[in-house]
Amino acid sequence: ETGVTQTPRHLVMGMTNKKSLKCEQHLGHNAMYWYKQSAKKPLELMFVYNFKEQTENNSVPSRFSPECPNSSHLFLHLHTLQPEDSALYLCASSQVGPGTASSYEQYFGPGTRLTVT
Amino acid sequence: TQLLEQSPQFLSIQEGENLTVYCNSSSVFSSLQWYRQEPGEGPVLLVTVATGGEVKKLKRLTFQFGDARKDSSLHITAAQPGDTGLYLCAGWHSGTYKYIFGTGTRLKVLA
Repeated sequence: ETGVTQTPRHLVMGMTNKKSLKCEQHLGHNAMYWYKQSAKKPLELMFVYNFKEQTENNSVPSRFSPECPNSSHLFLHLHTLQPEDSALYLCASSQVGPGTASSYEQYFGPGTRLTVT
Repeated sequence: TQLLEQSPQFLSIQEGENLTVYCNSSSVFSSLQWYRQEPGEGPVLLVTVATGGEVKKLKRLTFQFGDARKDSSLHITAAQPGDTGLYLCAGWHSGTYKYIFGTGTRLKVLA
């Protein structure tokens, strides 16, 4: 148990569906992240939120829409996905602070295994 | 081009053997983290190394940060089946202002 929970753990959706992934962190961290992990590819950072504000969007297609209502919750809204979007979606959090190595330590949830049919 | 290259990519060994995993870059990192990810789960933080030449031990795992802070290694002594998983190094790349992950080493320890 890392203090970061994700729901659902598994999701199968058609290309015309709309669904949302949810992440909650219980660590009091001030930054949250969405990552995509596909087979045979390194972890890809998708979005970063610091103090609820989006600070990074790594050229993610608009069919992925993040939402961060507060520092503890993060959502990823999905619509009109493609089969190549099938992957493990991981949420992480960290406590970002000036000049400390621990700022970069990330705590991950268990992930949502997404299959787009 | 990957900024953090890990080697080997795959490793399958017998229980009790020793192994070393490498994480290399041409860039300097202020710190590097190591994570282990088991199938169906998210990566779990193992350690942070932040000083050039630093060595940290976590039971049978020994982590070293290169003197120039461009590389790191993970050595496992007497590997056990429970060590099986994907090992990832990661760090903040000041050149791109991004936190990046290495290419990963997938380890399988056979009983």
